[in-house]
Amino acid sequence: GAVVSQHPSWVICKSGTSVKIECRSLDFQATTMFWYRQFPKQSLMLMATSNEGSKATYEQGVEKDKFLINHASLTLSTLTVTSAHPEDSSFYICSARDPGSRQPQHFGDGTRLSIL
Amino acid sequence: QKEVEQDPGPLSVPEGAIVSLNCTYSNSAFQYFMWYRQYSRKGPELLMYTYSSGNKEDGRFTAQVDKSSKYISLFIRDSQPSDSATYLCAMSEGNTGKLIFGQGTTLQVKP
Repeated sequence: GAVVSQHPSWVICKSGTSVKIECRSLDFQATTMFWYRQFPKQSLMLMATSNEGSKATYEQGVEKDKFLINHASLTLSTLTVTSAHPEDSSFYICSARDPGSRQPQHFGDGTRLSIL
Repeated sequence: QKEVEQDPGPLSVPEGAIVSLNCTYSNSAFQYFMWYRQYSRKGPELLMYTYSSGNKEDGRFTAQVDKSSKYISLFIRDSQPSDSATYLCAMSEGNTGKLIFGQGTTLQVKP
């Protein structure tokens, strides 16, 4: 079964609104979670690393004021796309790694964001 | 030059064929190598995970890593229509480090 849950799976909203996406680790506590963005027929691009209890680490070129990340607990990280515009439409995917396992990151099922 | 190169395909094979998927990379510090399968509008699902060079087999799947050539492969035996998906290679320097993905290869297995 899924070890990382992402919600919502699909959201459509008007330009200018803010959208929050949740990522939960179900069977383990994750001090670190990752947020990716994927355009159609392209690979996953890491946007930021979410650290529990501290500020997220953003990749070069990612606007931290645009994509707000909060990792308030060991099982929940949220990504908020602020003042979303059509160019923010994309597939957003989170991942987390179980520190008690040697397995690499497990991914959520993604959130399809469509900005009208 | 991208850190990880992967032919996007598409690759179309008949059911029962052996499929070979490959990635090359440029960063010699990569130590962990993964293959993920991604169905349309879903998140990537971990298929195989290898540390350093060598082979690893799991059912119909075999992963190979050749660090001297900076080349990794995934073989799928007796391919099935349900194997039709996009296959992403990924790698990292450390076990907890960020993953660098290939572009993904779209595979179609025809009945």
